[in-house]
Amino acid sequence: GDSVTQMEGPVTLSEEAFLTINCTYTATGYPSLFWYVQYPGEGLQLLLKATKADDKGSNKGFEATYRKETTSFHLEKGSVQVSDSAVYFCALSASTPLVFGKGTRLSVIA
Amino acid sequence: KAGVTQTPRYLIKTRGQQVTLSCSPISGHRSVSWYQQTPGQGLQFLFEYFSETQRNKGNFPGRFSGRQFSNSRSEMNVSTLELGDSALYLCASSLVSPGLAGQETQYFGPGTRLLVL
Repeated sequence: GDSVTQMEGPVTLSEEAFLTINCTYTATGYPSLFWYVQYPGEGLQLLLKATKADDKGSNKGFEATYRKETTSFHLEKGSVQVSDSAVYFCALSASTPLVFGKGTRLSVIA
Repeated sequence: KAGVTQTPRYLIKTRGQQVTLSCSPISGHRSVSWYQQTPGQGLQFLFEYFSETQRNKGNFPGRFSGRQFSNSRSEMNVSTLELGDSALYLCASSLVSPGLAGQETQYFGPGTRLLVL
């Protein structure tokens, strides 16, 4: 079945550091790919998405490119802030509802 | 436009009881999906409703059930609660069913945190 694998955390970075969270997927068909973020005590917020190969999703300084050849959708941000501390989930949606990775907890220290 | 709302936000029950959670989707959205989030299992899909019909169901026992009303609001019910049912239950809505259009974006509510004692 469809699955998502993302790097295990926690990830701890200093403010203004570069962030990469790796995400790879296995799916039949042509899935859409998503990154969701969950702040403490809250639900999931859509961060960005890409619906076809080579699409780049971007939002709030975060970017991810849909790479079909490597089945990857890595999340990047050039300069993280303390307010980016949260849990990040990679997810895919093909012909079924969302399939999530296990989440990566990011802590940014000042 | 108001987001997805879920009630109640917090709930404490004892084993053997039953519970009903409610979800109101974004106005105009006709699909509602439910997910369970636990530290051990992560985010797992429970079921999805579109136009009052269950379109898809995850791998959960029959104690977990749901329904959708004509105004697209949805409820999920868990009967005979077990300790392992303690979790954050998330509802997500989308314009149409993700099963019909995989590109459809799902928008999540804040969740209901259920604690079973």
